[in-house]
Amino acid sequence: DIQVTQSPSTLYVSVGDRITITCRASQSINHWLAWYQQKPGKAPNLLIYEASSLETGVPSRFSGSASGTEFTLTISSLQPDDFAVYYCSQYHTDATFGQGTRVEMK
Amino acid sequence: DVQVVESGGGLVQPGGSLRLSCAASGFTFISYWMHWVRQVPGKGLVWVSRINGDGSRITYADSARGRFTVSRDNAKNTLYLQMNSLRAEDTAVYYCVRGTISGASYFDHWGLGTLVTVSS
Repeated sequence: DIQVTQSPSTLYVSVGDRITITCRASQSINHWLAWYQQKPGKAPNLLIYEASSLETGVPSRFSGSASGTEFTLTISSLQPDDFAVYYCSQYHTDATFGQGTRVEMK
Repeated sequence: DVQVVESGGGLVQPGGSLRLSCAASGFTFISYWMHWVRQVPGKGLVWVSRINGDGSRITYADSARGRFTVSRDNAKNTLYLQMNSLRAEDTAVYYCVRGTISGASYFDHWGLGTLVTVSS
């Protein structure tokens, strides 16, 4: 099974900060990785697919990149609406989610 | 607008069964792979199962294989998850999610979820 290791588990940030969240896959998954945002009591929301393709309607401050088996979600300038939990998910084989990164106010 | 709405959750005793339903609207249901994803409250997301448009291709996570059965009725635009031999560790919110036409398992539309509680 393909494992996905996400870090950090929690990020303490301020509005306007540039933040990065990382996921590492246990084997090559090409670019078959997605990022989701989940707010309390809500279903997840797709942000990025194929490692770097921005889902329609998602603000351009979100971006994704890949280098080998390491994938990064970047928020260029954190906005108040961005405090949430973020998950990556590989879909090279079925789907496996990372453990999640909670973005909290410093 | 694309919508998926789950129903059928509730309290069930260990060893019991439950069938979840997911009513889809706003898109050509038969064209899309559909999935179930679950989440223990306060914990992470876990993929459970998927089924292709005509129901001929089905995959399960190890935790679901042999106990859960996914199916769909394209005439009713409805996805199902039959869950048997339920365990306490199956307690979770179960989300119905739309996959893609191609089969790539990323999810652009999620339901609100239905809570399944397995407890005596």
